[in-house]
Amino acid sequence: DAKTTQPNSMESNEEEPVHLPCNHSTISGTDYIHWYRQLPSQGPEYVIHGLTSNVNNRMASLAIAEDRKSSTLILHRATLRDAAVYYCVSGTYKYIFGTGTRLKVLA
Amino acid sequence: GAGVSQSPRYKVAKRGQDVALRCDPISGHVSLFWYQQALGQGPEFLTYFQNEAQLDKSGLPSDRFFAERPEGSVSTLKIQRTQQEDSAVYLCASSPNRVLQPQHFGDGTRLSIL
Repeated sequence: DAKTTQPNSMESNEEEPVHLPCNHSTISGTDYIHWYRQLPSQGPEYVIHGLTSNVNNRMASLAIAEDRKSSTLILHRATLRDAAVYYCVSGTYKYIFGTGTRLKVLA
Repeated sequence: GAGVSQSPRYKVAKRGQDVALRCDPISGHVSLFWYQQALGQGPEFLTYFQNEAQLDKSGLPSDRFFAERPEGSVSTLKIQRTQQEDSAVYLCASSPNRVLQPQHFGDGTRLSIL
């Protein structure tokens, strides 16, 4: 199974961009890269996913390295509601969750 | 709209008891997944159904864990002879199909074994 690693925690000021990195050096060629976030006592919430190309949606952008060994989730303007644990996930149906990054947003 | 619904939200059982956890997926979703999340950890895959067929149960920790989805909709995760190490949040997710669509998670059942 692929292994993904993330920093334990990060801080950002409100209204500033946040770049959350993920290392997935053992990902297989057909596995998607997903990002989810989780608030206390809630299930993970889908943020974005991609395979090889960079992706944008209304929540965030996903930048995938050319060798697919790493990716970065970009929140363009962090708000207080973005404070959560962010998980980098690899897999097509059998999700392998990373260690998670706890994002703290400072007002 | 209705998301993935799990019940009960909290379950306390004594060691050795059997428990059953229920998942109602989003209507029409073909694929259903169960994950286990220990305190402070990311979720870990347990099993996967496509309609009523259990296609992957490689993550079930022991033969005490059993999952079913007899009519291809509601699923039940059963744990027999519970142990303290079974204490965790059990998450259910569903998706319209296997590959292309993201999984939508319920809020989980927090199981505590005394």
